[in-house]
Amino acid sequence: SQTIHQWPATLVQPVGSPLSLECTVEGTSNPNLYWYRQAAGRGLQLLFYSVGIGQISSEVPQNLSASRPQDRQFILSSKKLLLSDSGFYLCAWRGTANQPQHFGDGTRLSIL
Amino acid sequence: KQEVTQIPAALSVPEGENLVLNCSFTDSAIYNLQWFRQDPGKGLTSLLLIQSSQREQTSGRLNASLDKSSGRSTLYIAASQPGDSATYLCAVAPYNFNKFYFGSGTKLNVKP
Repeated sequence: SQTIHQWPATLVQPVGSPLSLECTVEGTSNPNLYWYRQAAGRGLQLLFYSVGIGQISSEVPQNLSASRPQDRQFILSSKKLLLSDSGFYLCAWRGTANQPQHFGDGTRLSIL
Repeated sequence: KQEVTQIPAALSVPEGENLVLNCSFTDSAIYNLQWFRQDPGKGLTSLLLIQSSQREQTSGRLNASLDKSSGRSTLYIAASQPGDSATYLCAVAPYNFNKFYFGSGTKLNVKP
């Protein structure tokens, strides 16, 4: 069966520090991968998606970037965090268009 | 741009009641619609996926319906239990299936 892992679960970072969040999927190949952010009391905002290695589409201009160095690995990064980057970050994957999305457990990011 | 609305934002019911959660979307050209539940501080758990050609899907006490022409979906929960307490979100996928549009969710509280 397929599983998705996200880490770390929680992260507290100072303003201006770098960021790296990692997401990996097991049990499938060539998944579509997604990064979302969920601000407190708000809906999910799609940040990036990827249909293959090295292929990244950005949905929202921001202080973040994404990379997909391997088929089942998706990384969310920033060179300098802003206070507004605080939130709950969720990684998701899907196979074909007819299949459901599946989410990881998320990373709670707090910027001080 | 697709907009997804979920009403009500919060709902409180006594245990054992049957209830309906609503999801509406502005663009009927969707590929499929997915319902999720989210427990506090957790990721999203997939409940049901309805393809655009389907009218409903059932899983246990859950039944989701889709009326594309009117831009609406409902999630019916039969015989609600305290363990059903969570936030329920719907997401629509347009024919460009790599983008998903989420509603802001309905927070359900089932009282014992």
